[in-house]
Amino acid sequence: QKEVEQNSGPLSVPEGAIASLNCTYSDRGSQSFFWYRQYSGKSPELIMFIYSNGDKEDGRFTAQLNKASQYVSLLIRDSQPSDSATYLCAVNSKSSGDKLTFGTGTRLAVRP
Amino acid sequence: KAGVTQTPRYLIKTRGQQVTLSCSPISGHRSVSWYQQTPGQGLQFLFEYFSETQRNKGNFPGRFSGRQFSNSRSEMNVSTLELGDSALYLCASRQGRDQPQHFGDGTRLSIL
Repeated sequence: QKEVEQNSGPLSVPEGAIASLNCTYSDRGSQSFFWYRQYSGKSPELIMFIYSNGDKEDGRFTAQLNKASQYVSLLIRDSQPSDSATYLCAVNSKSSGDKLTFGTGTRLAVRP
Repeated sequence: KAGVTQTPRYLIKTRGQQVTLSCSPISGHRSVSWYQQTPGQGLQFLFEYFSETQRNKGNFPGRFSGRQFSNSRSEMNVSTLELGDSALYLCASRQGRDQPQHFGDGTRLSIL
């Protein structure tokens, strides 16, 4: 089982729709969770981070964390073509020496 | 505040050579991590340094090594380069164990 799993996609949504990106992790000791956006040929850019169960909103982005079920998700409201990118989920776990472990990413395509 | 700076941005080497990549973290960040990213393998963790000490290490051969200086700047060295080492090498820094990492623009290494 991979430490951090994401569906590789592509996830295709029409412009203006809500895009839902999911991530599961295996280490119950994980305490910090991050979402990065990566455009083709560019480096990852931090979008959101969440530490506690529940929802955290920032503009059009909402991160959701459920530690009991070991999943974290990212919702993008009013999706725009400029949101088309690969979204990386990253998990920090004290049991792995605080190493940040990345999923392989979900490619999102927003259709105009 | 200046971001993470990586030099050089592009590098072309031949098999058997060695290469040194440099990373200057965000001011005040004492942790520096290195990643290799290839189209097929995604983001692979190389190692993390904190206060000049290697804190975590990924599953890469001994040809890959790194170090961190007292000013938190870090270097990564790859010896006896192989064709498969062609990749985007990313450096990221963070302030503390649970804090998000911030990435530099990367060094694109091509091996001929």
